[in-house]
Amino acid sequence: ETGVTQSPTHLIKTRGQQVTLRCSSQSGHNTVSWYQQALGQGPQFIFQYYREEENGRGNFPPRFSGLQFPNYSSELNVNALELDDSALYLCASSLWGGLYGYTFGSGTRLTVV
Amino acid sequence: TQLLEQSPQFLSIQEGENLTVYCNSSSVFSSLQWYRQEPGEGPVLLVTVVTGGEVKKLKRLTFQFGDARKDSSLHITAAQPGDTGLYLCAGAGNQGGKLIFGQGTELSVKP
Repeated sequence: ETGVTQSPTHLIKTRGQQVTLRCSSQSGHNTVSWYQQALGQGPQFIFQYYREEENGRGNFPPRFSGLQFPNYSSELNVNALELDDSALYLCASSLWGGLYGYTFGSGTRLTVV
Repeated sequence: TQLLEQSPQFLSIQEGENLTVYCNSSSVFSSLQWYRQEPGEGPVLLVTVVTGGEVKKLKRLTFQFGDARKDSSLHITAAQPGDTGLYLCAGAGNQGGKLIFGQGTELSVKP
């Protein structure tokens, strides 16, 4: 079975720009979540999608938005990038909400300069 | 606000030693998940515990969920250099949803 694939692996953007990160979920998984992980910290929940609908959101401003597609792949969009948005962005997929665990991708390392 | 306090934050030990990582909260979780993360990679699920008092063993790793489902521990016996990495505990509410992560424990096992 394939795992979770994220692209790109690394990205450098300028403050104020917009960015789109992509995620292909593990085969058979219907739930996708996005997390932000700052250096030396545990991941912070951004939002979750289930069957193309947002199913929970963390404490992130509206400039963080997402989409889930019919094939369960997903995008994370961040507008008006700030320096503090520099982090590792992780996508995780699961079956039925993730009560029994998630499969994480390797992440996208975003640097905002 | 749900929080998971993980301790210790850093642990540097010699090969062959035992260690325990703790994960504590004032909130009840439906499941407690333990992950291991290596540099440049995403977290990898080690185990999920769902029943209060549950103990699960994975080779030299023993995971325990507290009776009240508010805390958990990870015990490693005879640590090896290959155990080096960031260990993360994460709590899930009813039906899964968002995971609340602890700050992580950076483990270094020296040969």
